[in-house]
Amino acid sequence: ETGVTQTPRHLVMGMTNKKSLKCEQHLGHNAMYWYKQSAKKPLELMFVYSLEERVENNSVPSRFSPECPNSSHLFLHLHTLQPEDSALYLCASSQEPSGGAETQYFGPGTRLLVL
Amino acid sequence: GQNIDQPTEMTATEGAIVQINCTYQTSGFNGLFWYQQHAGEAPTFLSYNVLDGLEEKGRFSSFLSRSKGYSYLLLKELQMKDSASYLCAVRDSNYQLIWGAGTKLIIKP
Repeated sequence: ETGVTQTPRHLVMGMTNKKSLKCEQHLGHNAMYWYKQSAKKPLELMFVYSLEERVENNSVPSRFSPECPNSSHLFLHLHTLQPEDSALYLCASSQEPSGGAETQYFGPGTRLLVL
Repeated sequence: GQNIDQPTEMTATEGAIVQINCTYQTSGFNGLFWYQQHAGEAPTFLSYNVLDGLEEKGRFSSFLSRSKGYSYLLLKELQMKDSASYLCAVRDSNYQLIWGAGTKLIIKP
């Protein structure tokens, strides 16, 4: 248990569906992240929120829409996804800046399959 | 471009020692992380190196040479539960984490 929870753990959706992924951190951190993890590829940073402000958007397609209503919650809204978007979506949090390692703590991920 | 290289897969025997290498080419350097990720689970933090040398934590040690752009993770007295993927990540000059693709470690009895 890392203090970061994600729901749902598994999701199957059609290309015309709209769904949302939820992340919650119980660590009192002030930064949250969405990553995409595909098989045998490096983690891809999608979005970063620091103090509830989006500070990074690495050219992610608009069919992915993040929302950070407060420092403990992060959502990823999905619509009209493509089969190549099937992957493990990981949420992470950290305390920035801490003057130290600023370790990121990860949730267990949502395994997404787009049909 | 920025790049992190680590072997795709390694196999080792229970009770033995294994070294997982990571080489990096990044725009600047502000620390190197190792994470462990069991199949279907979250990556969990193992170690952090920002200065050259060896950091030891129980059965796990991590080494860094900034001049060579090189790190390794050393696992001693291997146990079956050490079967996992090991991710190397470097924080660049913009404090962004650049990730390797991970090394899948298979432990055999």
